[in-house]
Amino acid sequence: AQSVAQPEDQVNVAEGNPLTVKCTYSVSGNPYLFWYVQYPNRGLQFLLKYITGDNLVKGSYGFEAEFNKSQTSFHLKKPSALVSDSALYFCAVRVLYNQGGKLIFGQGTELSVKP
Amino acid sequence: EAQVTQNPRYLITVTGKKLTVTCSQNMNHEYMSWYRQDPGLGLRQIYYSMNVEVTDKGDVPEGYKVSRKEKRNFPLILESPSPNQTSLYFCASRPVQTGELFFGEGSRLTVL
Repeated sequence: AQSVAQPEDQVNVAEGNPLTVKCTYSVSGNPYLFWYVQYPNRGLQFLLKYITGDNLVKGSYGFEAEFNKSQTSFHLKKPSALVSDSALYFCAVRVLYNQGGKLIFGQGTELSVKP
Repeated sequence: EAQVTQNPRYLITVTGKKLTVTCSQNMNHEYMSWYRQDPGLGLRQIYYSMNVEVTDKGDVPEGYKVSRKEKRNFPLILESPSPNQTSLYFCASRPVQTGELFFGEGSRLTVL
């Protein structure tokens, strides 16, 4: 079955420190991978995506993610966390040949950045 | 401004009282979808539409209906809401060829 896992419900980081939010996936064929962020009482906002090419993908707000095919992972990273990065983060994989190419989402990781 | 608009944003209703959550996008996207978000479960797809008059079930379609009579609109209908449909609902759209979804701000529904 195709799935996405975010093994950490919550990640706590001090401001200025690097952050990593983990994501692993299971999908047939080549994956299309995404990260979204959700601020309180808001919809999901697109951060970045991996379709093909360079394994290191850069996105909005200084975030980047590294695609690792052998480990089936797509971890979200940022070199220096800000308090304003505190939010709920979702990893997602696109199912290409089923249900119109829907996105399957992980359960989300709550990122808390303390001053 | 490119956006997906949902209404209402908040709604409290009672079991069995039919309701509709509207969704409209101004980006001329072919693909539209409804998701529900529940704690610990992430987002699960309810229904999707590849274009006008083309709709299909997602992973959790029971108790919901949709229609796609116009390209921009994709309403979610709960004919007889039940308490287990209490959730946060998101409408999203994208062009057919890309995977990046654009989300509405969400509609928080409580069924008593």
